[in-house]
Amino acid sequence: AQSVTQPDIHITVSEGASLELRCNYSYGATPYLFWYVQSPGQGLQLLLKYFSGDTLVQGIKGFEAEFKRSQSSFNLRKPSVHWSDAAEYFCAVVSDGQNFVFGPGTRLSVLP
Amino acid sequence: ETGVTQSPTHLIKTRGQQVTLRCSSQSGHNTVSWYQQALGQGPQFIFQYYREEENGRGNFPPRFSGLQFPNYSSELNVNALELDDSALYLCASSLQTREQYFGPGTRLTVT
Repeated sequence: AQSVTQPDIHITVSEGASLELRCNYSYGATPYLFWYVQSPGQGLQLLLKYFSGDTLVQGIKGFEAEFKRSQSSFNLRKPSVHWSDAAEYFCAVVSDGQNFVFGPGTRLSVLP
Repeated sequence: ETGVTQSPTHLIKTRGQQVTLRCSSQSGHNTVSWYQQALGQGPQFIFQYYREEENGRGNFPPRFSGLQFPNYSSELNVNALELDDSALYLCASSLQTREQYFGPGTRLTVT
């Protein structure tokens, strides 16, 4: 069965600092990979996705993620964090004919 | 283009009661998926509907059931509510399974 791990439950960074959120998945083939963001009490917003091709994908709000097959990872990055980025971030994986599996999430706090 | 909408926003039910949650999919999307998100956890897949047929189900008991209508809107029904059913219920629409777009959710509290 597919699984997604996000090793960091909570990360705190200062505004303007760089950010990397980790995501590892367990699946035999290359799945489709996603990052979603959730503000308190809200639904999930799609940040970016990877289906195939270039392993570095750009998303909204200045986020990017890199797919590394050898490490089964899809880490999310942002060069300079803004206070409005404080939220919960979820990595998700899906394969054809299957359904989304989400990681447990990483809560991001931003210090002024 | 209208996004995914869900109703109601919040509701409170008593243990043993039944509840129906509603979802309107994004224009042009033929697939609706439902998720349960307990506090502090990631969303857990309940089931998916594609063209009015159930198209996959997660590890949820039969008292969780659903419907999809010809306009691709959907309902989630939960019978015999338990305290552990308290959660945020998320609906997502898509063209098949890829790139799901989520609604704002319905917060269900069972007392």
